[in-house]
Amino acid sequence: AQTVTQSQPEMSVQEAETVTLSCTYDTSENNYYLFWYKQPPSRQMILVIRQEAYKQQNATENRFSVNFQKAAKSFSLKISDSQLGDTAMYFCAFMKRGYTGANSKLTFGKGITLSVRP
Amino acid sequence: NAGVTQTPKFQVLKTGQSMTLQCAQDMNHNSMYWYRQDPGMGLRLIYYSASEGTTDKGEVPNGYNVSRLNKREFSLRLESAAPSQTSVYFCASRAEWKGLGYGYTFGSGTRLTVV
Repeated sequence: AQTVTQSQPEMSVQEAETVTLSCTYDTSENNYYLFWYKQPPSRQMILVIRQEAYKQQNATENRFSVNFQKAAKSFSLKISDSQLGDTAMYFCAFMKRGYTGANSKLTFGKGITLSVRP
Repeated sequence: NAGVTQTPKFQVLKTGQSMTLQCAQDMNHNSMYWYRQDPGMGLRLIYYSASEGTTDKGEVPNGYNVSRLNKREFSLRLESAAPSQTSVYFCASRAEWKGLGYGYTFGSGTRLTVV
């Protein structure tokens, strides 16, 4: 079974600064996906970024980038130039690659609440 | 551009009452899921459906039943609601080809309170 750990329950950052959210995971699989989801107060689950484990290059999406360390099973999210709209809960999630049914489920961490201060 | 539609958005039930949460997707996805979100717990899988007519249990299925009525719709039923089922419920569907990274699409959630 896979586990995803987000050990920091809350973080705060000043607007325009950079913040890094941590995530570690445990799996015996070699092929998988890792995700960061954002959940603003509206409750909507929004995909921020996705990383395929077989790719060595770290994924980037505009101000969002990841530091994927496969050997260390670490997957951190860096948010550059933080904006007030980044205030949300962020979830790290894991999914096996190439499976269907229950094996295709997302396994989530407990989430971290990020507050961006003006 | 509807994606995944969940109804209702909010609901208050009395202990012992029953209700059905509705979910529909218009993306022609085979796989659909029901998750619950509780504070400090992340999202946990209740039930999933790999295709029309098939369903199976996830991590926390007790107290729930599901129906995959057709390819579009996947409903979650609480037969006798309990306070422990107070939660936010999410329906999701999943693309099944590499081009979309097997990505999930989530509904907007249902906040359920059982008193």
